[in-house]
Amino acid sequence: GENVEQHPSTLSVQEGDSAVIKCTYSDSASNYFPWYKQELGKGPQLIIDIRSNVGEKKDQRIAVTLNKTAKHFSLHITETQPEDSAVYFCAASDNTNAGKSTFGDGTTLTVKP
Amino acid sequence: DAGVTQSPTHLIKTRGQHVTLRCSPISGHKSVSWYQQVLGQGPQFIFQYYEKEERGRGNFPDRFSARQFPNYSSELNVNALLLGDSALYLCASRPSPGGGANVLTFGAGSRLTVL
Repeated sequence: GENVEQHPSTLSVQEGDSAVIKCTYSDSASNYFPWYKQELGKGPQLIIDIRSNVGEKKDQRIAVTLNKTAKHFSLHITETQPEDSAVYFCAASDNTNAGKSTFGDGTTLTVKP
Repeated sequence: DAGVTQSPTHLIKTRGQHVTLRCSPISGHKSVSWYQQVLGQGPQFIFQYYEKEERGRGNFPDRFSARQFPNYSSELNVNALLLGDSALYLCASRPSPGGGANVLTFGAGSRLTVL
């Protein structure tokens, strides 16, 4: 089955700096890669996703890159703000079945004011 | 519009007991997935249901079962509870199992503690 590894497990940055979180996956059949943000007491919330026919996707301060050959994808957050502090999860699945996603173990991001 | 709603939000059980967790998907969503999230780890897939049929099962023992009702709500049942079943149980819904625009929307979860 699919295995997703996520690094780092914790990340601390100063407000305004950039943050990068990296994930690798094992199953070459995976072609859908979402990123979720989980705040305390809440469920994961989708913040951005990318499909295998695209190498990069941006949404304001958030971007995701995908390297299918190397089987890794990354989340980039620019101009970080204190409200970006949360746990971030990457996931991988078959595009037709995102309901059966495999998740990484999460990155706790702390943005210091 | 209401999002994915789960009940109860918190519950405490003792080893050997049974638990039932409930989920109501977003209106119009017909597919429900269940995930277990142990503290400090990512969610782990348990079940996916669509149109009352099981469409996938993760690597969990037979003590775990689920069902989906005609109104698309769902129940997750866990029998003979073990200490290791303590976790946040998440329900997620999407319009259908497949399709490029069908992203998962998660509920806030049910926090189960087994003593």
